[in-house]
Amino acid sequence: GENVEQHPSTLSVQEGDSAVIKCTYSDSASNYFPWYKQELGKRPQLIIDIRSNVGEKKDQRIAVTLNKTAKHFSLHITETQPEDSAVYFCAASPPSNTGKLIFGQGTTLQVKP
Amino acid sequence: DAGVIQSPRHEVTEMGQEVTLRCKPISGHNSLFWYRQTMMRGLELLIYFNNNVPIDDSGMPEDRFSAKMPNASFSTLKIQPSEPRDSAVYFCASSPGTGAYEQYFGPGTRLTVT
Repeated sequence: GENVEQHPSTLSVQEGDSAVIKCTYSDSASNYFPWYKQELGKRPQLIIDIRSNVGEKKDQRIAVTLNKTAKHFSLHITETQPEDSAVYFCAASPPSNTGKLIFGQGTTLQVKP
Repeated sequence: DAGVIQSPRHEVTEMGQEVTLRCKPISGHNSLFWYRQTMMRGLELLIYFNNNVPIDDSGMPEDRFSAKMPNASFSTLKIQPSEPRDSAVYFCASSPGTGAYEQYFGPGTRLTVT
């Protein structure tokens, strides 16, 4: 079945710097890749997603890139702010008609003011 | 829309007791997912339903766990008997379709078994 690996597990950056989180997946037929942000004590919330027919998607300071050949996708956050500090999860949707997501292990991002 | 609703938000119980967690998905959503989150194991998918039918329960840890979805607006996750290692945050999520769609998470139930 699908397996998703996420790196790094922790990331610390200075406010204003960029942050990049990378995920690899095993099933080349996976077709949907969302990213979730989870603040301490809160629920995971969808921040951006990308489908397999698109290579890049941007939404203000965040962007996601997908390399289907290499089977990896990345989250890019520019001009980081302290409120970006959270745990970020990537996920991949295997090729089924069920909507199941396989999540990565999470990356704890700390933005230092 | 109120989003996914879960109850209770916090549950403290003694080992051996029955625990029932409840979830109301977003109206119109066809898929419902139950997750467990711990520091050690991360976010684990326990079971999911499409159109009220259980599709895959391979993530349910053992027979002490069971889940039902009697109708499109209600699901339960039951643990009987509960054990201290069941302590975790349990999330319910719903999705608008049966294909590759975004999932919306509820606020979670923090379960503590003493």
